[in-house]
Amino acid sequence: DVKVTQSSRYLVKRTGEKVFLECVQDMDHENMFWYRQDPGLGLRLIYFSYDVKMKEKGDIPEGYSVSREKKERFSLILESASTNQTSMYLCASSNRGGNQPQHFGDGTRLSIL
Amino acid sequence: GENVEQHPSTLSVQEGDSAVIKCTYSDSASNYFPWYKQELGKRPQLIIDIRSNVGEKKDQRIAVTLNKTAKHFSLHITETQPEDSAVYFCAASHTGRRALTFGSGTRLQVQP
Repeated sequence: DVKVTQSSRYLVKRTGEKVFLECVQDMDHENMFWYRQDPGLGLRLIYFSYDVKMKEKGDIPEGYSVSREKKERFSLILESASTNQTSMYLCASSNRGGNQPQHFGDGTRLSIL
Repeated sequence: GENVEQHPSTLSVQEGDSAVIKCTYSDSASNYFPWYKQELGKRPQLIIDIRSNVGEKKDQRIAVTLNKTAKHFSLHITETQPEDSAVYFCAASHTGRRALTFGSGTRLQVQP
């Protein structure tokens, strides 16, 4: 069974801090994704990666960056956290190519004070 | 880019009734349409998906229908049970795009 593990379930940080959210998958998937989930807005794509060191912007990349140094790990970085980045962050992975089911982690609820 | 609209945002049904959730998409190239269920405090999980070469797919009490001409697809849940209560998300994608575009979600409540 695919396992996508996010490093923290809950995280509280202060405005201006640099924040790292980590995600690890154990199924050798090529594709990895970061979404944020807000009530009434569904899941919005921040960034995704289709290979090591490769990344593409999603729909809402502003204020975020990502890193994929190893195939199994995909990190989301908030360069200077702001209160409007308080949200639920979900990581997902899928097999090579398009039209593949995505497998999600449990999410990180991030609060920026 | 792709835009997916989902309706209704909330749906309340009596146990045993049917529930229908509808989505429309904008990109005519889209050919993959998954549905995810997210129970309270849990991760979204794929419950069914359909590809554009078929018009309907069933899995026990759930079914998805696709109308490519009208660019809409629907999730049907029959004989609803309290454990069907959750938020449901539709999504769309196409072969050349690795990412999914999600709808805004439908909160389904099944009243016992």
